[in-house]
Amino acid sequence: EVQLVESGGGLVQPGRSLRLSCVASGFRFDDYAMHWARQVPGKGLEWVSGISWSGEAMGYADSVKGRFTISRDNGKNSLYLQMNTLRAEDTALYYCLRDGYCSSVKCHSGWFDPWGQGTLVTVSS
Amino acid sequence: QSVLTQPPSVSGAPGQRVTISCTGSSSNSGAGYDVHWYQQLPGTAPKLLIYGNTNRPSGVPDRFSGSKSGTSASLAIAGLQAEDEADYYCHSYDSRLSAYVFGTGTKVTVL
Repeated sequence: EVQLVESGGGLVQPGRSLRLSCVASGFRFDDYAMHWARQVPGKGLEWVSGISWSGEAMGYADSVKGRFTISRDNGKNSLYLQMNTLRAEDTALYYCLRDGYCSSVKCHSGWFDPWGQGTLVTVSS
Repeated sequence: QSVLTQPPSVSGAPGQRVTISCTGSSSNSGAGYDVHWYQQLPGTAPKLLIYGNTNRPSGVPDRFSGSKSGTSASLAIAGLQAEDEADYYCHSYDSRLSAYVFGTGTKVTVL
């Protein structure tokens, strides 16, 4: 069974950092690009960042560019999101996603399947 | 704010057919980028419903169908069932933003 399990969420003060992790199983991890998306509870979805299979190419939403860094460790079947200088507006449920088609984030044709169950990040003093 | 616009809500009686539109622009769906659809049941993560404009993953009932023309895409649900009550989102890539984008989301209510 293809599965993505996120961890690392929690309550953090504005300006501080947090690192999210996602462990993948049930598929060959290094065949796929991977992504993070987020959702404020009760609101819509927002793509946050994506990374190619090799870790060579990354992409970021303007809202997190310069503050968040995506990375992966193919030997550990793991995806990460380092979030620095967190703001209240970063409060959301963060999902780990597999690109259903592309191995590169430069492909632009892929869909997201599957999604993890999400990990909640709350930024508040 | 999203660049893919969906109606906030649609509703229908059991057995009816409903459609959800996803309107984009020349930098996303109108530029030839595929549109995909997701279903989000209450309290759960989104699930892929339609990929590549018209394709259903295995396990998705054929009551669900997708189409795309120009800058707009549509999701149709035929024979509406109570279990179809959920939020639905479209998704594509935007070349002007250099980012993947989601639609504003549509809540489907079964009357």
